Amino acid sequence: QQQVKQSPQSLIVQKGGISIINCAYENTAFDYFPWYQQFPGKGPALLIAIRPDVSEKKEGRFTISFNKSAKQFSLHIMDSQPGDSATYFCAASKPGAGSYQLTFGKGTKLSVIP
Amino acid sequence: NAGVTQTPKFQVLKTGQSMTLQCAQDMNHEYMSWYRQDPGMGLRLIHYSVGAGITDQGEVPNGYNVSRSTTEDFPLRLLSAAPSQTSVYFCASSYSSVTSGNTIYFGEGSWLTVV
Repeated sequence: QQQVKQSPQSLIVQKGGISIINCAYENTAFDYFPWYQQFPGKGPALLIAIRPDVSEKKEGRFTISFNKSAKQFSLHIMDSQPGDSATYFCAASKPGAGSYQLTFGKGTKLSVIP
Repeated sequence: NAGVTQTPKFQVLKTGQSMTLQCAQDMNHEYMSWYRQDPGMGLRLIHYSVGAGITDQGEVPNGYNVSRSTTEDFPLRLLSAAPSQTSVYFCASSYSSVTSGNTIYFGEGSWLTVV
């Protein structure tokens, strides 16, 4: 049972455009939703995260939108740059002892073309 | 600070061999974990530890063993390697804070091929 579904699998965006990656979750016990960025040959690195008590969080060009009733959240990358080309993973975790155990989506490979 | 350090970076094993992937963190984090990453599958939790002497199974624990004798080290043992264990392995450590929540740091990965 895949608890976090991510789409699309791959995405090609023109430089300066908006990249949008979507995730949906099933387990209503999840209360922490991070996004990770991974470059080839490297480990994932935390990009931005949100908790369900807010509907949006913005950090620079990166924004998470969260819809609790629909059990969906998305990553928006504004003014996408070639340096943003990477694989992006959404994830979710539960509170308490479960907060350290991430359930990941399958990833989206983003290519930003000049 | 080195963060999370994994060794080796690359390893080729023959079916049936055993080996240990090493992981060390210098951030004094209580929580450590191991994930495997396979194409199109995302990252899946193998084992985790909430402190020295305490370990538990994740989503895909079969064929792997862990121990946590110190806060810093969390080795992953492959007991009898199988081709299905060909993967990239990531060690992670994390802490929790009131302001930033749970921040999980990943190592650079260990590429394992079982032939």
